[in-house]
Amino acid sequence: NAGVTQTPKFQVLKTGQSMTLQCAQDMNHNSMYWYRQDPGMGLRLIYYSASEGTTDKGEVPNGYNVSRLNKREFSLRLESAAPSQTSVYFCATKPDRGGYGYTFGSGTRLTVV
Amino acid sequence: QQQVKQSPQSLIVQKGGISIINCAYENTAFDYFPWYQQFPGKGPALLIAIRPDVSEKKEGRFTISFNKSAKQFSLHIMDSQPGDSATYFCAPSYDKVIFGPGTSLSVIP
Repeated sequence: NAGVTQTPKFQVLKTGQSMTLQCAQDMNHNSMYWYRQDPGMGLRLIYYSASEGTTDKGEVPNGYNVSRLNKREFSLRLESAAPSQTSVYFCATKPDRGGYGYTFGSGTRLTVV
Repeated sequence: QQQVKQSPQSLIVQKGGISIINCAYENTAFDYFPWYQQFPGKGPALLIAIRPDVSEKKEGRFTISFNKSAKQFSLHIMDSQPGDSATYFCAPSYDKVIFGPGTSLSVIP
């Protein structure tokens, strides 16, 4: 099935450790996004990429870095994890034209202890 | 700061009843008004969306009603089923998307 694939699904990190969340889409879209979801706060945009080779900060970028490896892949890196980064992370993509509806991945549940 | 508010925060409806969730926004630049449905452990999925040139859109049991002057739009779920139990997000958009905080719907037999 066409869509967005995220790995890993679950991860536990110790404070200060680093990790990279992977995202790949096979929908041939230019735009890709990273969101975090916390209880009662909806989804907040961390970073986005309008096209291969470009990335921009969203609402909550501090503590994160991203790489748009190619058109399909967009990774999110936590260089030094903090407990405040405990969250569920979603990658998403949307069509370049014809609407603004997102397709989301199934998420990565990250716990930082 | 752009604000998107949803009400109610949570909702319990009996099977066969009507579920109504409301979304209020401030930014008049929004030109796309979707609702997303999210089941536990899954990512949000686009459920239904409307453009501001129409006041209502129906897809099966799901209807969006849009009130441009009041800056509100709502999701109506007719004949609600236990399988509709999920969290629903409004996400008005222009080149940016602002997600509401979500409404947890439980449909009980």
